[in-house]
Order: sequence, then structure tokens, then C-alpha cells
Amino acid sequence: NAGVTQTPKFQVLKTGQSMTLQCAQDMNHNSMYWYRQDPGMGLRLIYYSASEGTTDKGEVPNGYNVSRLNKREFSLRLESAAPSQTSVYFCASSVALNTEAFFGQGTRLTVV
Amino acid sequence: GENVEQHPSTLSVQEGDSAVIKCTYSDSASNYFPWYKQELGKGPQLIIDIRSNVGEKKDQRIAVTLNKTAKHFSLHITETQPEDSAVYFCAASDNDYKLSFGAGTTVTVRA
Repeated sequence: NAGVTQTPKFQVLKTGQSMTLQCAQDMNHNSMYWYRQDPGMGLRLIYYSASEGTTDKGEVPNGYNVSRLNKREFSLRLESAAPSQTSVYFCASSVALNTEAFFGQGTRLTVV
Repeated sequence: GENVEQHPSTLSVQEGDSAVIKCTYSDSASNYFPWYKQELGKGPQLIIDIRSNVGEKKDQRIAVTLNKTAKHFSLHITETQPEDSAVYFCAASDNDYKLSFGAGTTVTVRA
């Protein structure tokens, strides 16, 4: 049982480049999330999907887009990367909102 | 939205002593309060959670207390061990049922 799988684990981008972070869960969870983690700031919610077919903005959505491809997969896209988006990104899933969230191992993204 | 403050930011304890981390939240409608442990290079993992209809919950050496009137909740770790060294995050759900996290506490257990 793999849980939540994120790819890639590490990525370096140049300013202005685009990329998509992939996330898949095999726990049949309804809700999925994208967080970013910066030193001294905890985890901040970027976007979430309460259930398949829905997506909503979180606390820091600017510069990002998401796609809930199906129940298992939730991707995060950076259209034009900026140095301020250098961070560690975590995908998570849960049975429903307001229940235990299971996190992936994270993607360390550096934008130069 | 919800604002969660967590203290202290770092905590060093002697092995066998207790550790206490405190969090406050702003939204009186919040009703779910989980605590996560994050080890180096890994994603956060739930260690204990509490809902607003309960004042205290215990799981072996870990306990959480909730004071809804004062809008604060705390994590207590007793008989600390080296493997308890990690970063701990508190969180609270807001009125849209999304989690807001504290800034984290780095706990170091000295042997």
C-alpha cells in the first residue's frame, strides 16, 4: 500500500518555466490537497479538492493551478515559475474534509 | 480565515522528561484539532487528534487537551525518548473544514 505518491522528489526550474507536480493516492480518499512548506511558516494550503470533480482555492493560490484528474490523481501546475515559489510541496489526501490527512513525501522545488 | 499560533518554536528536553507544546486558534467555530509529527525528509504524519466535543484525549505517552472557551489546545509528551525528536505541528479546521497549521515546534530530546 503506497499511500500518497508524489513525483518528482526534486526539481530545479528557471524563472518563467512551467511544470506540473503529480500526486496519486491509492486509499480511495475523496479529498486531496496541495500544501507548501516554508521555513518558520508551517504548511499553507494552496488548493484543495473536496471530492472528485471539484477544486477550490486555499490560502495561497496565486501562481498555481490544479486539476483533479480522477479520484486518485490531483496535479499542481506552475505556469510561470518565480523564485518566490521555491519551497517544499506536499500533497495529501483524506477520506473527507476535516478528517485525518495522509501526506506524501514532498517535492523540493527550487526556482532560480 | 483561521489563524493558528504555536509556541514554543524550539524545545529541548532531557530524555525521560515531559514536553508541552501550546497552540491558540482564532475561529470559535473550529471543531477539529490534529497534531502532526514530521521527521527529517518526510511528510507530516498524524499522531493524535481531538474534536471539540472532547476536552482531553490520550494515546500512550501522548495526550492532547482542548479548552474551547480560551481557544487553545496543547500537546503533552511524557517520558520523552530520542525518537520523539522531530518537528511537531498543530492544526485547526476552519468553518470550511480546511486545516490551518501552526508554524511548528522543533523538539530535541537530549540523551
